[in-house]
Amino acid sequence: SAVISQKPSRDICQRGTSLTIQCQVDSQVTMMFWYRQQPGQSLTLIATANQGSEATYESGFVIDKFPISRPNLTFSTLTVSNMSPEDSSIYLCSVEAGESSGANVLTFGAGSRLTVL
Amino acid sequence: AQSVTQLDSHVSVSEGTPVLLRCNYSSSYSPSLFWYVQHPNKGLQLLLKYTSAATLVKGINGFEAEFKKSETSFHLTKPSAHMSDAAEYFCVVSDQYSGYALNFGKGTSLLVTP
Repeated sequence: SAVISQKPSRDICQRGTSLTIQCQVDSQVTMMFWYRQQPGQSLTLIATANQGSEATYESGFVIDKFPISRPNLTFSTLTVSNMSPEDSSIYLCSVEAGESSGANVLTFGAGSRLTVL
Repeated sequence: AQSVTQLDSHVSVSEGTPVLLRCNYSSSYSPSLFWYVQHPNKGLQLLLKYTSAATLVKGINGFEAEFKKSETSFHLTKPSAHMSDAAEYFCVVSDQYSGYALNFGKGTSLLVTP
Protein backbone atom coordinates (compact mmCIF):
# COMPACT_ATOMS: atom_id res chain seq x y z
CA SER A 1 0.00 0.00 0.00
CA ALA A 2 0.97 3.67 -0.31
CA VAL A 3 3.55 5.22 1.99
CA ILE A 4 2.71 8.68 3.34
CA SER A 5 5.12 11.29 4.67
CA GLN A 6 3.81 14.22 6.67
CA LYS A 7 5.63 17.37 7.68
CA PRO A 8 5.97 18.74 10.27
CA SER A 9 5.62 15.82 12.66
CA ARG A 10 4.94 18.29 15.46
CA ASP A 11 4.98 21.99 16.07
CA ILE A 12 4.20 24.54 18.73
CA CYS A 13 2.44 27.60 17.39
CA GLN A 14 1.31 30.96 18.68
CA ARG A 15 -2.32 31.98 18.74
CA GLY A 16 -3.38 33.85 15.61
CA THR A 17 -0.76 32.37 13.33
CA SER A 18 -1.24 29.85 10.52
CA LEU A 19 0.57 26.62 9.81
CA THR A 20 0.70 24.53 6.66
CA ILE A 21 1.00 20.75 6.87
CA GLN A 22 2.40 18.85 3.93
CA CYS A 23 1.45 15.35 2.83
CA GLN A 24 3.56 13.46 0.29
CA VAL A 25 2.55 10.05 -1.08
CA ASP A 26 4.90 7.66 -2.84
CA SER A 27 2.34 6.81 -5.52
CA GLN A 28 -0.37 8.60 -7.46
CA VAL A 29 -3.74 8.61 -5.75
CA THR A 30 -7.07 10.07 -6.76
CA MET A 31 -8.37 11.09 -3.37
CA MET A 32 -6.54 12.36 -0.32
CA PHE A 33 -8.24 12.84 3.03
CA TRP A 34 -7.47 15.08 5.96
CA TYR A 35 -8.52 14.03 9.45
CA ARG A 36 -8.28 15.74 12.83
CA GLN A 37 -7.77 13.95 16.13
CA GLN A 38 -8.37 16.25 19.06
CA PRO A 39 -6.83 15.31 22.44
CA GLY A 40 -8.52 12.24 23.85
CA GLN A 41 -10.95 12.14 20.94
CA SER A 42 -11.44 10.06 17.86
CA LEU A 43 -10.65 10.98 14.29
CA THR A 44 -12.93 13.34 12.41
CA LEU A 45 -12.82 13.84 8.66
CA ILE A 46 -12.09 17.45 7.75
CA ALA A 47 -12.18 17.27 3.97
CA THR A 48 -11.55 15.22 0.87
CA ALA A 49 -9.08 16.58 -1.67
CA ASN A 50 -9.20 15.56 -5.32
CA GLN A 51 -6.59 16.75 -7.76
CA GLY A 52 -7.85 19.50 -10.01
CA SER A 53 -10.93 20.44 -8.03
CA GLU A 54 -11.92 22.21 -4.84
CA ALA A 55 -11.75 20.16 -1.68
CA THR A 56 -15.01 18.87 -0.23
CA TYR A 57 -15.45 19.86 3.41
CA GLU A 58 -17.40 17.99 6.06
CA SER A 59 -19.96 19.65 8.24
CA GLY A 60 -18.32 21.95 10.75
CA PHE A 61 -15.23 22.64 8.66
CA VAL A 62 -14.81 25.57 6.26
CA ILE A 63 -12.31 26.48 3.59
CA ASP A 64 -11.36 29.79 5.19
CA LYS A 65 -10.19 28.02 8.32
CA PHE A 66 -8.70 24.93 6.66
CA PRO A 67 -7.61 25.78 3.11
CA ILE A 68 -6.38 22.76 1.19
CA SER A 69 -4.22 22.51 -1.90
CA ARG A 70 -3.91 19.49 -4.18
CA PRO A 71 -1.52 20.49 -6.95
CA ASN A 72 -0.83 16.96 -8.21
CA LEU A 73 -1.64 13.30 -7.61
CA THR A 74 1.03 12.75 -4.96
CA PHE A 75 0.89 15.87 -2.79
CA SER A 76 -1.49 17.92 -0.69
CA THR A 77 -1.31 20.60 1.96
CA LEU A 78 -3.65 21.55 4.77
CA THR A 79 -3.37 24.97 6.36
CA VAL A 80 -4.74 25.65 9.81
CA SER A 81 -5.48 29.38 9.76
CA ASN A 82 -5.68 31.91 12.57
CA MET A 83 -4.99 29.23 15.13
CA SER A 84 -6.45 29.14 18.63
CA PRO A 85 -5.75 26.67 21.45
CA GLU A 86 -8.84 24.73 20.35
CA ASP A 87 -6.98 23.81 17.16
CA SER A 88 -4.42 21.82 19.14
CA SER A 89 -4.78 18.38 17.60
CA ILE A 90 -3.13 15.73 15.54
CA TYR A 91 -3.83 16.25 11.85
CA LEU A 92 -3.60 13.16 9.69
CA CYS A 93 -3.35 12.72 5.97
CA SER A 94 -4.73 9.54 4.44
CA VAL A 95 -5.19 7.94 1.03
CA GLU A 96 -6.85 4.89 -0.41
CA ALA A 97 -4.79 1.84 0.51
CA GLY A 98 -5.07 0.35 -2.94
CA GLU A 99 -7.18 -2.22 -4.77
CA SER A 100 -5.49 -5.16 -3.07
CA SER A 101 -6.67 -3.89 0.32
CA GLY A 102 -10.30 -3.67 -0.70
CA ALA A 103 -12.93 -0.99 -0.67
CA ASN A 104 -12.96 1.89 1.79
CA VAL A 105 -9.58 1.00 3.30
CA LEU A 106 -7.32 3.93 4.03
CA THR A 107 -3.61 4.27 4.71
CA PHE A 108 -2.64 6.98 7.17
CA GLY A 109 0.36 9.15 7.69
CA ALA A 110 1.98 9.39 11.12
CA GLY A 111 0.23 12.68 11.73
CA SER A 112 1.22 16.24 12.58
CA ARG A 113 0.81 17.12 16.25
CA LEU A 114 0.05 20.82 16.66
CA THR A 115 0.04 22.61 19.98
CA VAL A 116 -1.31 26.16 19.98
CA LEU A 117 -0.34 28.39 22.89
CA ALA B 1 -26.60 7.55 9.82
CA GLN B 2 -23.82 5.36 11.06
CA SER B 3 -21.78 5.30 14.23
CA VAL B 4 -19.65 3.10 16.42
CA THR B 5 -19.40 2.86 20.17
CA GLN B 6 -16.30 1.50 21.78
CA LEU B 7 -17.47 0.36 25.16
CA ASP B 8 -14.17 0.71 27.01
CA SER B 9 -11.85 3.69 26.86
CA HIS B 10 -9.08 1.74 28.63
CA VAL B 11 -8.36 -1.99 28.86
CA SER B 12 -5.52 -3.49 30.88
CA VAL B 13 -4.39 -7.10 30.50
CA SER B 14 -1.42 -9.14 31.57
CA GLU B 15 0.99 -10.42 28.98
CA GLY B 16 -0.10 -13.84 27.74
CA THR B 17 -3.77 -13.39 28.66
CA PRO B 18 -6.64 -12.89 26.19
CA VAL B 19 -7.58 -9.49 24.81
CA LEU B 20 -11.16 -8.35 24.24
CA LEU B 21 -11.89 -4.87 22.86
CA ARG B 22 -15.59 -4.21 22.44
CA CYS B 23 -17.30 -2.34 19.64
CA ASN B 24 -20.96 -1.86 18.79
CA TYR B 25 -22.08 -0.24 15.56
CA SER B 26 -25.10 1.42 14.11
CA SER B 27 -25.68 1.60 10.37
CA SER B 28 -28.70 2.03 8.17
CA TYR B 29 -27.13 -0.02 5.41
CA SER B 30 -24.84 -3.00 5.09
CA PRO B 31 -21.77 -1.81 6.92
CA SER B 32 -18.10 -2.25 6.35
CA LEU B 33 -16.28 -2.52 9.66
CA PHE B 34 -12.62 -2.07 10.45
CA TRP B 35 -10.21 -2.13 13.33
CA TYR B 36 -7.20 0.18 13.18
CA VAL B 37 -4.31 0.33 15.62
CA GLN B 38 -2.28 3.43 16.45
CA HIS B 39 1.05 3.02 18.15
CA PRO B 40 2.60 6.10 19.77
CA ASN B 41 3.97 8.53 17.19
CA LYS B 42 3.02 6.24 14.32
CA GLY B 43 0.29 6.31 11.72
CA LEU B 44 -2.86 4.26 11.93
CA GLN B 45 -2.48 0.71 10.71
CA LEU B 46 -5.30 -1.49 9.49
CA LEU B 47 -5.67 -4.62 11.62
CA LEU B 48 -8.58 -6.21 9.84
CA LYS B 49 -11.79 -5.48 7.96
CA TYR B 50 -15.24 -6.95 7.47
CA THR B 51 -17.00 -6.32 4.17
CA SER B 52 -19.92 -8.81 4.07
CA ALA B 53 -17.89 -11.94 3.46
CA ALA B 54 -17.01 -14.33 6.31
CA THR B 55 -18.28 -13.09 9.67
CA LEU B 56 -15.11 -14.16 11.47
CA VAL B 57 -12.30 -12.00 10.20
CA LYS B 58 -8.65 -12.71 10.86
CA GLY B 59 -6.19 -9.86 10.83
CA ILE B 60 -2.55 -9.19 11.41
CA ASN B 61 -0.61 -9.93 14.60
CA GLY B 62 -3.00 -12.67 15.70
CA PHE B 63 -6.05 -10.44 16.06
CA GLU B 64 -9.50 -11.44 14.90
CA ALA B 65 -13.00 -10.01 15.06
CA GLU B 66 -16.46 -11.48 14.64
CA PHE B 67 -19.29 -9.61 12.95
CA LYS B 68 -22.55 -10.34 14.81
CA LYS B 69 -25.46 -8.69 13.08
CA SER B 70 -27.98 -9.74 15.73
CA GLU B 71 -25.91 -8.01 18.39
CA THR B 72 -24.63 -5.19 16.13
CA SER B 73 -21.18 -5.95 17.45
CA PHE B 74 -17.69 -6.28 16.04
CA HIS B 75 -15.48 -7.11 19.02
CA LEU B 76 -11.73 -7.48 18.58
CA THR B 77 -9.98 -10.41 20.25
CA LYS B 78 -6.57 -11.98 20.58
CA PRO B 79 -5.86 -15.22 22.47
CA SER B 80 -2.62 -14.07 24.07
CA ALA B 81 -1.48 -10.48 24.55
CA HIS B 82 2.05 -9.37 23.80
CA MET B 83 3.78 -6.33 25.19
CA SER B 84 3.98 -4.89 21.68
CA ASP B 85 0.17 -4.89 21.47
CA ALA B 86 0.00 -1.88 23.78
CA ALA B 87 -1.55 0.87 21.64
CA GLU B 88 -4.75 2.74 20.83
CA TYR B 89 -7.35 0.74 18.92
CA PHE B 90 -10.11 2.26 16.83
CA CYS B 91 -13.28 0.58 15.60
CA VAL B 92 -14.46 2.12 12.33
CA VAL B 93 -17.63 1.86 10.24
CA SER B 94 -18.54 2.89 6.74
CA ASP B 95 -21.21 1.87 4.28
CA GLN B 96 -21.84 1.99 0.56
CA TYR B 97 -23.13 5.53 0.82
CA SER B 98 -20.45 7.00 3.05
CA GLY B 99 -17.66 5.46 1.05
CA TYR B 100 -14.34 6.71 2.34
CA ALA B 101 -15.94 8.98 4.94
CA LEU B 102 -15.04 6.60 7.73
CA ASN B 103 -16.73 6.98 11.08
CA PHE B 104 -14.26 6.32 13.91
CA GLY B 105 -15.01 5.23 17.43
CA LYS B 106 -13.40 7.11 20.31
CA GLY B 107 -10.71 4.51 20.71
CA THR B 108 -9.66 2.00 23.37
CA SER B 109 -6.27 2.28 24.95
CA LEU B 110 -4.80 -1.17 25.56
CA LEU B 111 -2.23 -1.53 28.32
CA VAL B 112 -0.28 -4.78 28.58
CA THR B 113 1.47 -5.45 31.86
CA PRO B 114 4.33 -7.92 32.39
